[in-house]
Amino acid sequence: DAGITQSPRHKVTETGTPVTLRCHQTENHRYMYWYRQDPGHGLRLIHYSYGVKDTDKGEVSDGYSVSRSKTEDFLLTLESATSSQTSVYFCAISHGLARTDTQYFGPGTRLTVL
Amino acid sequence: GESVGLHLPTLSVQEGDNSIINCAYSNSASDYFIWYKQESGKGPQFIIDIRSNMDKRQGQRVTVLLNKTVKHLSLQIAATQPGDSAVYFCAEKEDQAGTALIFGKGTTLSVSS
Repeated sequence: DAGITQSPRHKVTETGTPVTLRCHQTENHRYMYWYRQDPGHGLRLIHYSYGVKDTDKGEVSDGYSVSRSKTEDFLLTLESATSSQTSVYFCAISHGLARTDTQYFGPGTRLTVL
Repeated sequence: GESVGLHLPTLSVQEGDNSIINCAYSNSASDYFIWYKQESGKGPQFIIDIRSNMDKRQGQRVTVLLNKTVKHLSLQIAATQPGDSAVYFCAEKEDQAGTALIFGKGTTLSVSS
């Protein structure tokens, strides 16, 4: 998984609770991304980061926030989890140094919101 | 809506056959395309990519073909093996660093021996 770890790998939580997912990379890549994967929708971008403290929204950012205080870590926070946020969450990284900027994915976190 | 889609949600082949997985895209500005393989419980794994200035690119047992005229992308897997069973996604993006990938919904390839 291209030097990417995600934690936790599985989490069950209740509606209304805060949840933070962590992505850690050892590749020193500039760009990091959070996607969610749902049946019938494929993978959709939530947020991405183009450097420490530099982030931007993706297609499905409502209800999520992110932070990146170090190059290697990108956190995804659900401030108040809802059942619609039950999904598999993938982190991806890319070097951003060349125009053809392949993204490599982590193993995923399966989140269930009851 | 989806800018990338796959023609068939499932494809079943026999071991040793050649497999062809198709994908259509609609964004004329997309100029970089990637095929990913996703096995159950794992993240998408990069297979092969192609830029819009190319029509064909070959890897180990895989070939990607790009037809920009009809906005069509295909992945050919030679001598398909049971280990090739997975969901295959095509993804597109505009050729700028850090921009988001737009994924299709995926094709499930099942290989029987």
